[in-house]
Amino acid sequence: DTEVTQTPKHLVMGMTNKKSLKCEQHMGHRAMYWYKQKAKKPPELMFVYSYEKLSINESVPSRFSPECPNSSLLNLHLHALQPEDSALYLCASSQRGSGADTQYFGPGTRLTVL
Amino acid sequence: GQQLNQSPQSMFIQEGEDVSMNCTSSSIFNTWLWYKQDPGEGPVLLIALYKAGELTSNGRLTAQFGITRKDSFLNISASIPSDVGIYFCAGRAPSGNTGKLIFGQGTTLQVKP
Repeated sequence: DTEVTQTPKHLVMGMTNKKSLKCEQHMGHRAMYWYKQKAKKPPELMFVYSYEKLSINESVPSRFSPECPNSSLLNLHLHALQPEDSALYLCASSQRGSGADTQYFGPGTRLTVL
Repeated sequence: GQQLNQSPQSMFIQEGEDVSMNCTSSSIFNTWLWYKQDPGEGPVLLIALYKAGELTSNGRLTAQFGITRKDSFLNISASIPSDVGIYFCAGRAPSGNTGKLIFGQGTTLQVKP
């Protein structure tokens, strides 16, 4: 089973709202990732968690706040977003987050900021 | 930073035709991955390559890890309408012991029935 699940599928929020994106995997993977993807562009890495610790932050604005409550769950908390933050947000997981490691992606959350 | 050049950018082919796309890098990689993405969905892993020269098939798909470690290609034989989508290559450099992947810009494939 190589399934990564994400909720919600779609999210519309105003610039003053606070919302959260959720990601879950039950493959025993110890690395989890958040990506942002604009239409017809490749995914852009935002954050990497390895063994539940934040290992990479790609200079993401503080209005995006990641959280890894346990090895199966990854959240992305959103606050005071801008319309240009509208995109497909993808979660991925991999076994270790290093070496010859394969990332598996979830279906994504389509975020629209009004 | 490291970049992957993926070509062609787009392809419009007739059903039944074979397809070939490739990615090249200016530096060596130790992992090459090929993903397919349908509109509004996440990328789905097609083939993973871990050794230079490795040739791997998955049904009608075949991918190879170039001997120089700076390139990879993906072939699709006898294309069908459900092959439509965007294909991304992704690679990891030897110094990238952080899990970080470098993505190509994607190849958009359209298949005419």
